Amino acid sequence: AQTVTQSQPEMSVQEAETVTLSCTYDTSESNYYLFWYKQPPSRQMILVIRQEAYKQQNATENRFSVNFQKAAKSFSLKISDSQLGDTAMYFCAFMMKTSYDKVIFGPGTSLSVIP
Amino acid sequence: DTGVSQDPRHKITKRGQNVTFRCDPISEHNRLYWYRQTLGQGPEFLTYFQNEAQLEKSRLLSDRFSAERPKGSFSTLEIQRTEQGDSAMYLCASSQYTGTSGYEQYFGPGTRLTVT
Repeated sequence: AQTVTQSQPEMSVQEAETVTLSCTYDTSESNYYLFWYKQPPSRQMILVIRQEAYKQQNATENRFSVNFQKAAKSFSLKISDSQLGDTAMYFCAFMMKTSYDKVIFGPGTSLSVIP
Repeated sequence: DTGVSQDPRHKITKRGQNVTFRCDPISEHNRLYWYRQTLGQGPEFLTYFQNEAQLEKSRLLSDRFSAERPKGSFSTLEIQRTEQGDSAMYLCASSQYTGTSGYEQYFGPGTRLTVT
């Protein structure tokens, strides 16, 4: 069974600074996706960034980038130039590529951006 | 392009009552998923459909829960004889295969159920 762990329940960062959210996962699969989802307060979940396991290059989406370490089963999210709108719960998540079925989520990290 | 919608957004019910939630996926999406999210936790998978067929059910989905997607479009999730432990946010997501992103799931706003 796959599991996703986020060891930082809460984090805060000053506006315009950089913050890194940690995630580790456990799987025996070799072909999978990893995701970071953002869930703002009382708003719906949206996908921030996606990484395919077979791609060695780390994914980047504007101010968001990941550090994917496949051997270590680590998948951290770096947010640069933090903005007030980045305040949200962030979930690390895993999906097997073979079945494309359920997404397995971590427990989340609550990020607060301080003005 | 409308997103995934869910109705109602909030539901308060008394223990023992039955409740039904509806999810309308993005129109061209053939897969539809249900998740449950309790306060302070990540969503947990309940079940998913490909078109009308229910392909997988989590062991979290007890006999009191039933989900349908009769015409491969909208889906309903019914909870019978609700218990206080059923209080949670029920999230729906939909997806359609693309070559670049596989079955990327798009989430609805959720239905928050409170059982008193």
